[in-house]
Amino acid sequence: NAGVTQTPKFRVLKTGQSMTLLCAQDMNHEYMYWYRQDPGMGLRLIHYSVGEGTTAKGEVPDGYNVSRLKKQNFLLGLESAAPSQTSVYFCASSWVAGGSYEQYFGPGTRLTVT
Amino acid sequence: AQKITQTQPGMFVQEKEAVTLDCTYDTSDPSYGLFWYKQPSSGEMIFLIYQGSYDQQNATEGRYSLNFQKARKSANLVISASQLGDSAMYFCAMREGESQGNLIFGKGTKLSVKP
Repeated sequence: NAGVTQTPKFRVLKTGQSMTLLCAQDMNHEYMYWYRQDPGMGLRLIHYSVGEGTTAKGEVPDGYNVSRLKKQNFLLGLESAAPSQTSVYFCASSWVAGGSYEQYFGPGTRLTVT
Repeated sequence: AQKITQTQPGMFVQEKEAVTLDCTYDTSDPSYGLFWYKQPSSGEMIFLIYQGSYDQQNATEGRYSLNFQKARKSANLVISASQLGDSAMYFCAMREGESQGNLIFGKGTKLSVKP
C-alpha cells in the first residue's frame, strides 16, 4: 500500500516550458487535491476533484490545468512555466469530503522555473 | 481577511515540557472541521488531530490535544512532554462545510525543541 505518490520528486524547467505532474493514490479515494507551498506560506489549493472525470478551481488556479481521467490519478499541468510557479507541489486525497477524514498527502514535488 | 491565523512564526520549548501552538479561524459556516498537520524538515505532511465544529469535547490523540474554544474561534494545539522529534513546522487548517473537503491552511509555526 503506497498511499499517495507523486512523480517526479524534483524538476527544473526553463520559462515557457511545459510539464505534467502525476499524482497517484491506491486507497480508492474519491477526492483529490493539488496544493502549492511557498516559503513562509501555508499550502494553497490550486485545483481539486470530487470524483473521476470532475475537476474544479481552487484558490490559485491560474497557469495550471488538471485532469482526472482515472479515479486513482490526478494530473497537474503547466502549459507555459513561469518563475512565479517555482514552488513545492503537494497532492492529497481523501475518502470523503466531510467528517473527521483527513487528507493524505504525497511527498511533494519541488519545481524550479528559471 | 485571513481565514486561518497562526500568530507565532517560531516557538522554542524545552524537552519534556508542554507547548501550545495558537490557531484562530474565521468562518460563517456552522459546519467546519479543524486539522493540525506536522511538517518535519523532510517535507512530508503528517496528520495529527481533528476537531469538528459540533464536537462537544476537545480532541486528543496521544500527546496531542486540541484546545477548542468555539466562541473565541480558536483551536490551539497542545503538545505534552515535548520530544526532540517534535521539532517541525506545524500547520493549522480548516475545512468549511462538508461537501468539497478543501483545506485552508495557516502560515505555520516552526517549533524547536531544545535538549
